Amino acid sequence: GAVVSQHPSWVICKSGTSVKIECRSLDFQATTMFWYRQFPKQSLMLMATSNEGSKATYEQGVEKDKFLINHASLTLSTLTVTSAHPEDSSFYICSARDKGLAGDTQYFGPGTRLTVL
Amino acid sequence: DAKTTQPPSMDCAEGRAANLPCNHSTISGNEYVYWYRQIHSQGPQYIIHGLKNNETNEMASLIITEDRKSSTLILPHATLRDTAVYYCIVRVDEGAQKLVFGQGTRLTINP
Repeated sequence: GAVVSQHPSWVICKSGTSVKIECRSLDFQATTMFWYRQFPKQSLMLMATSNEGSKATYEQGVEKDKFLINHASLTLSTLTVTSAHPEDSSFYICSARDKGLAGDTQYFGPGTRLTVL
Repeated sequence: DAKTTQPPSMDCAEGRAANLPCNHSTISGNEYVYWYRQIHSQGPQYIIHGLKNNETNEMASLIITEDRKSSTLILPHATLRDTAVYYCIVRVDEGAQKLVFGQGTRLTINP
């Protein structure tokens, strides 16, 4: 299947700083990428839908000014957690939509574990 | 998108077939059934999807009932590496495309 990467795989930062997470589709172009968050022992929760060349669509309750999303190319979307606080510590996962020969499918990255001290 | 119901946990012996059920009684005619799995501390992995017909790939088989109100994911020869949380999701193949994850089934393969 298609491959999606994330960088970094883990990050530790101080409270008040900003952290940028990259999501790349390695062998296909993705006009749409998604960002999810997962807290321990919980399921994935969609944060926002990222469309190449346009503004992201955020789910209800997700602060767009805190979680900045940029999808500047067909293979790269970034999520910036601004002024991070300990409650933002979580597992952040992206997915990319592949409309290939196998059909319209989302493929997920390996995730980024953010710890805010 | 229609809601799905899955058992919270299941056990299966290594080498045996693992059959994971999913109920989606409110599924619409244009909604597909998708299966993903998540191994601990990793991103979800796509397994298989289907609309009406049964589907098979190198990972699993998907059996969808004739009325489409339920489906079963079959891992034919389960290995210890198949231990994961399995998510059944129904979704239309157009529009927003977002996936809504439920709690899934925690499958444990025992040696």
